[in-house]
Amino acid sequence: AQSVTQPDIHITVSEGASLELRCNYSYGATPYLFWYVQSPGQGLQLLLKYFSGDTLVQGIKGFEAEFKRSQSSFNLRKPSVHWSDAAEYFCAVGASGNTPLVFGKGTRLSVIA
Amino acid sequence: GAGVSQSPRYKVAKRGQDVALRCDPISGHVSLFWYQQALGQGPEFLTYFQNEAQLDKSGLPSDRFFAERPEGSVSTLKIQRTQQEDSAVYLCASSSPTSGRAVGDYNEQFFGPGTRLTVL
Repeated sequence: AQSVTQPDIHITVSEGASLELRCNYSYGATPYLFWYVQSPGQGLQLLLKYFSGDTLVQGIKGFEAEFKRSQSSFNLRKPSVHWSDAAEYFCAVGASGNTPLVFGKGTRLSVIA
Repeated sequence: GAGVSQSPRYKVAKRGQDVALRCDPISGHVSLFWYQQALGQGPEFLTYFQNEAQLDKSGLPSDRFFAERPEGSVSTLKIQRTQQEDSAVYLCASSSPTSGRAVGDYNEQFFGPGTRLTVL
């Protein structure tokens, strides 16, 4: 069965500092991996996705993620965090085709001045 | 429409009442998904449709939950005899195969804003 682990429930970073949010997955084949962001009262917005090819993927809002098969990880990074990045971040995995996603429990990001 | 819409945005129900939650997917999207997001948790899959066919309902927590998409567009999630543990945000998402690639190739799911259900 597919599963996603986000080890950090809550992270606080200073504005302008770098960010890395961890995601580990369990899946029997090559997974389809996603990072979504959810602001309070809002739906989920896709930041980036990985299907195949280059293991470093670029997303919106300056985010990137690196797929590491050997570590079953898909960590999200941003070199310089902005106050507007404060939100809940979810990592998700899916099988090929239009299939349901399995989400992690999320990491809440707080940004301080 | 520009995106996935859901109604109502907020619903308060007394325990034992029936509720119906509506999802309007992006026009032309073949696949439609329902997820349940409890407070402080990630979304959990409930059920999904491809056109009007319900292909997987393994995530529905009990037989009080029922979903339909009769014309392959709008979908309704119905919860009968609501219980307090049903309180959650119900998210709908739609997706479509990438044009120019094989049907079934994965594309992103576009999420609606959700319906927050509170059962008193």
